[in-house]
Amino acid sequence: AQSVSQHNHHVILSEAASLELGCNYSYGGTVNLFWYVQYPGQHLQLLLKYFSGDPLVKGIKGFEAEFIKSKFSFNLRKPSVQWSDTAEYFCAVSAGNQFYFGTGTSLTVIP
Amino acid sequence: DTGVSQDPRHKITKRGQNVTFRCDPISEHNRLYWYRQTLGQGPEFLTYFQNEAQLEKSRLLSDRFSAERPKGSFSTLEIQRTEQGDSAMYLCASSLATGTGFRGYTFGSGTRLTVV
Repeated sequence: AQSVSQHNHHVILSEAASLELGCNYSYGGTVNLFWYVQYPGQHLQLLLKYFSGDPLVKGIKGFEAEFIKSKFSFNLRKPSVQWSDTAEYFCAVSAGNQFYFGTGTSLTVIP
Repeated sequence: DTGVSQDPRHKITKRGQNVTFRCDPISEHNRLYWYRQTLGQGPEFLTYFQNEAQLEKSRLLSDRFSAERPKGSFSTLEIQRTEQGDSAMYLCASSLATGTGFRGYTFGSGTRLTVV
């Protein structure tokens, strides 16, 4: 069965620290990859997405993610986090008509 | 606002009652999805429509759950004889699926259901 794994359940960082959130998926075919963010009290928003081409994808608010096909990974990165990045981050994979979400990583940024 | 709208935002109901939620997708989107999200979990797929046709329904979904999209526009999700375990955030999302593939979802703000 297809699955998406996010290894970090809760990450706490100080402002200006660098961020990397792990995401691995299990699906052998062609996939599209996404990161969604959910700020406190708000709905899910698309952060960035990968379909094809350059495996390094840049998203909004300084986030980027790298697709490494050989590792089935799509890790999210940001060089310097801000307090406003405090949120829940979900990795998602679309395969066929289905969408599979990871369980999410809660990021807390301390001012 | 041209995003995905869900109504109501919050619903508190007594166990055993029926509830119905509504979702208005982005008008040009042909696909509409329902997800359920509980604390500490990612969104869990419930069902989806392409236009008015319900193409897939999660096998995990109880028969107490039913969804419709009668005219291919808005959708309703009904839960009959609610149970405390139904308490969750119910998310609606829409997308435009074309011959070139899937381009991701736009989510609504969700309906938070509390069954007491």
